[in-house]
Amino acid sequence: AQKVTQAQTEISVVEKEDVTLDCVYETRDTTYYLFWYKQPPSGELVFLIRRNSFDEQNEISGRYSWNFQKSTSSFNFTITASQVVDSAVYFCALSEEDTDKLIFGTGTRLQVFP
Amino acid sequence: AAGVIQSPRHLIKEKRETATLKCYPIPRHDTVYWYQQGPGQDPQFLISFYEKMQSDKGSIPDRFSAQQFSDYHSELNMSSLELGDSALYFCASSSSSYNSPLHFGNGTRLTVT
Repeated sequence: AQKVTQAQTEISVVEKEDVTLDCVYETRDTTYYLFWYKQPPSGELVFLIRRNSFDEQNEISGRYSWNFQKSTSSFNFTITASQVVDSAVYFCALSEEDTDKLIFGTGTRLQVFP
Repeated sequence: AAGVIQSPRHLIKEKRETATLKCYPIPRHDTVYWYQQGPGQDPQFLISFYEKMQSDKGSIPDRFSAQQFSDYHSELNMSSLELGDSALYFCASSSSSYNSPLHFGNGTRLTVT
C-alpha cells in the first residue's frame, strides 16, 4: 500500500535560515509521481512541484530545491534563505501510475520568524 | 490563467441539514477530484470523476454523493450533516490528455453547528 510520511510536525526558523522538509514514501509501483503542495494560512493548496519516478535529477526553482533519492524513498524539500511569507503547512504527496489520486503526508508546519 | 473555482467559499449549516458544494474545473480539464480536510489534518480523497463518470472512490460517507455534469463542473451533495463533517472541502482538476498535475481550488469551508 502507498504511504507518505512527514516526520516533522512543526519546524520554526528565523528569517534567512535554510530549512529542509523531509518526506519519505512507500509504494509498490515502479511508476509513480511525487508532489509538494504549500498551504498558507489562507487555506488554499498551492502546487509547487511534481516529479516522476524515473527522473531523479534534483530541481531548483529560485529559493526552492528538491532532492529525490529512490534509494532511500525520499523526496526532500529545501527552502534557502527562508522568508516570513514561507510560513505555511507543506504537504508531500504521492500518486501511482494508474491514477491521479493523491495520497498526502500529514504535513509539516513551517513557521519563519522575522 | 484560469484556476479551479469553488463555491461557496464558506458555508454554515445546522446538523441534519443538506449542503451542496460546487466546483468548476480549469478549462479543458476532464477529471475532477474531491478532498476533505479536517482541522489539522491532511486532505483525504473522497471521490473523482472522469468524463462525467465516477472514476475512483475513497472514504466518502454514504450520506454524500457527487456528480460531474456535461460542462465538466461537479457538485458534492451532503445530506444529514453531522458536526464531524465540518471541514475544508477541496476540489481539484486535471487533464488526462496533458498529464497535468492536480490543481486545487481555494476550498469551501463548511461549518456544521
